Amino acid sequence: GAVVSQHPSRVICKSGTSVKIECRSLDFQATTMFWYRQFPKQSLMLMATSNEGSKATYEQGVEKDKFLINHASLTLSTLTVTSAHPEDSSFYICSARPYAGDSYEQYFGPGTRLTVT
Amino acid sequence: GQNIDQPTEMTATEGAIVQINCTYQTSGFNGLFWYQQHAGEAPTFLSYNVLDGLEEKGRFSSFLSRSKGYSYLLLKELQMKDSASYLCAVKDSNYQLIWGAGTKLIIKP
Repeated sequence: GAVVSQHPSRVICKSGTSVKIECRSLDFQATTMFWYRQFPKQSLMLMATSNEGSKATYEQGVEKDKFLINHASLTLSTLTVTSAHPEDSSFYICSARPYAGDSYEQYFGPGTRLTVT
Repeated sequence: GQNIDQPTEMTATEGAIVQINCTYQTSGFNGLFWYQQHAGEAPTFLSYNVLDGLEEKGRFSSFLSRSKGYSYLLLKELQMKDSASYLCAVKDSNYQLIWGAGTKLIIKP
């Protein structure tokens, strides 16, 4: 089956620093990757959609200068949380849509738990 | 606006059957998904419905009625490991996934 990895799985950083989260599709090519954020006991919130080689499309209310997304290849997308603050502490999940095959499926990474102190 | 409703929490007994309902109002419809999410983990895909009717996959089945904007996930022969949140999501006319808040399912022995 299709596997998506995220790194790191957990990260603790100090307020004001930047954190990069990687999302990789391990055994398929992903034309589209999605970044979600999930606060405790809440549903997934789509932050942005990224297509390989083009700029990400951000959802309303998501600051593109704060959450930098780079989809440099068909297997890698990165999310950088710049100048992190405690309110950015959350569970960040990426998903990837395969280049070929059924277009309806999204495969989720295991998530990254970010804690900003 | 777009809206997906599901119960916040349900409790069921091990070995029993439980039905989790989902109603939706979205701008367009391009399929409905059910995901399972254990605490602290990412969601895993359970089912996909785009046509009316019942899709069966082992102990799990999912039903869709597009005219009623309604779906349910049916879990049979419940096991303790089925304790999780179950998320309903609809793909709208822009092929964006609209997520429900999830239903926390508690299984008791």
